[in-house]
Amino acid sequence: DAGVIQSPRHEVTEMGQEVTLRCKPISGHNSLFWYRQTMMRGLELLIYFNNNVPIDDSGMPEDRFSAKMPNASFSTLKIQPSEPRDSAVYFCASSPDRVGGNTIYFGEGSWLTVV
Amino acid sequence: AQTVTQSQPEMSVQEAETVTLSCTYDTSESDYYLFWYKQPPSRQMILVIRQEAYKQQNATENRFSVNFQKAAKSFSLKISDSQLGDAAMYFCAYRSAGNTGKLIFGQGTTLQVKP
Repeated sequence: DAGVIQSPRHEVTEMGQEVTLRCKPISGHNSLFWYRQTMMRGLELLIYFNNNVPIDDSGMPEDRFSAKMPNASFSTLKIQPSEPRDSAVYFCASSPDRVGGNTIYFGEGSWLTVV
Repeated sequence: AQTVTQSQPEMSVQEAETVTLSCTYDTSESDYYLFWYKQPPSRQMILVIRQEAYKQQNATENRFSVNFQKAAKSFSLKISDSQLGDAAMYFCAYRSAGNTGKLIFGQGTTLQVKP
C-alpha cells in the first residue's frame, strides 16, 4: 500500500515567489495534517482536515499561508508570497478515522528553501 | 492543553547496548494514545511504537519497548541491542482518543550510536 506522497521533495525559490506543496494521503484515510519542522520551533501543526473539512487552522502562521483539500485524495499548502523565514521541512500526514485507527502516518516531507 | 516534554536533547549508546529515552506528558484526559517516532537524517518520520492509554501492558516491537506509567504520566522508550541504524532523532508524541485529534510532539532526543 502506498504511503503518504508529497511533492516536490525539494524546492528552492526566491523571496516573494508563490510556493505550492502537494500531498496525496493514504487511500481511505479521513484525516490529513500539515506540519512544519524547523530547528527553532520543532514540529508544529499548521492545519488539519477531517473528511476534507478544515478542523483546526490555528497553527497557520499568517495570511500568506493557505491550505485546501478539494477531495479525499489531494491537498495543497500554498505560501504567497514566500519569505526566507518560511524555509523548513513541511510534512503532510494522514490518519484513518476509525476506532483504534489513531496512528498518523507521515510523508517524506518537502524541503523548502526560500532565498 | 496537552504538552509533551523530552528532557534529554542528546543521548549516546554503545552498539549492542541498551538505552532508554525519557518522555513525560501532561493531560487531563483519561483516554489517549502515545507514540514514538524516529527521524533519521533523511528527515522521514517513521513510527516506532504506539501505546493505548487504556492498556496496562507495555507495548513491544522487536528491540523497542516502552515503560508506560499512566499515573506518573511517563512514557519512556527502551532500545535493546542498539544498532548503528538506530541513530536518529526520536520524538515522543501524544494524541487524544478522538480520531480527529492532532498529534502533539516533544522536542526530540538525538540518539548517537557508537561502534
